[in-house]
Amino acid sequence: DTEVTQTPKHLVMGMTNKKSLKCEQHMGHRAMYWYKQKAKKPPELMFVYSYEKLSINESVPSRFSPECPNSSLLNLHLHALQPEDSALYLCASSQDLAGLTGELFFGEGSRLTVL
Amino acid sequence: EDQVTQSPEALRLQEGESSSLNCSYTVSGLRGLFWYRQDPGKGPEFLFTLYSAGEEKEKERLKATLTKKESFLHITAPKPEDSATYLCAVRPYSSASKIIFGSGTRLSIRP
Repeated sequence: DTEVTQTPKHLVMGMTNKKSLKCEQHMGHRAMYWYKQKAKKPPELMFVYSYEKLSINESVPSRFSPECPNSSLLNLHLHALQPEDSALYLCASSQDLAGLTGELFFGEGSRLTVL
Repeated sequence: EDQVTQSPEALRLQEGESSSLNCSYTVSGLRGLFWYRQDPGKGPEFLFTLYSAGEEKEKERLKATLTKKESFLHITAPKPEDSATYLCAVRPYSSASKIIFGSGTRLSIRP
């Protein structure tokens, strides 16, 4: 079962709200990722977790806060966002960072609109 | 600097009209090259991984090939349901934790 599940599918929030995006995978993958994608652009890497530890933070503003509670779950906490943060947020997983196979498996994404 | 360039940006074909999408890459050692399909508002769907020059992979009407500088995604006798954006991505040896995406080719198949 190659599936990454993201919730919610759609989220509308004001600039003062606090919300969270959730991601779950049961493929036994040890690397998990958050990407941000704007319309007609490729996905942009935000964070990478490897074995539940933050491995990469692509200079993302602190209003985005990732969390990896266990090897199957990845959260993205959102606070004081700006309208320009509106985008499709994609979660992905891969077997690990060092293995020969490196393909990412993506979830369906969470469409975020900041008013 | 590691880079991925896809062409054309957009391609409109008639149903049944075969064509190819191009992905040119410059990396300091290729760990893997990946092709994804993305439908509007959805996450990318994994299609193929290619590891070394000369390798080919096939799935239904799609065939991916790899040389030392580029990859092609050949689409044979496409159908309207093949309409999507096709993304190419590479994982270089210099940065195992990062996948670098191209900007994609938007493919539209007219019935």
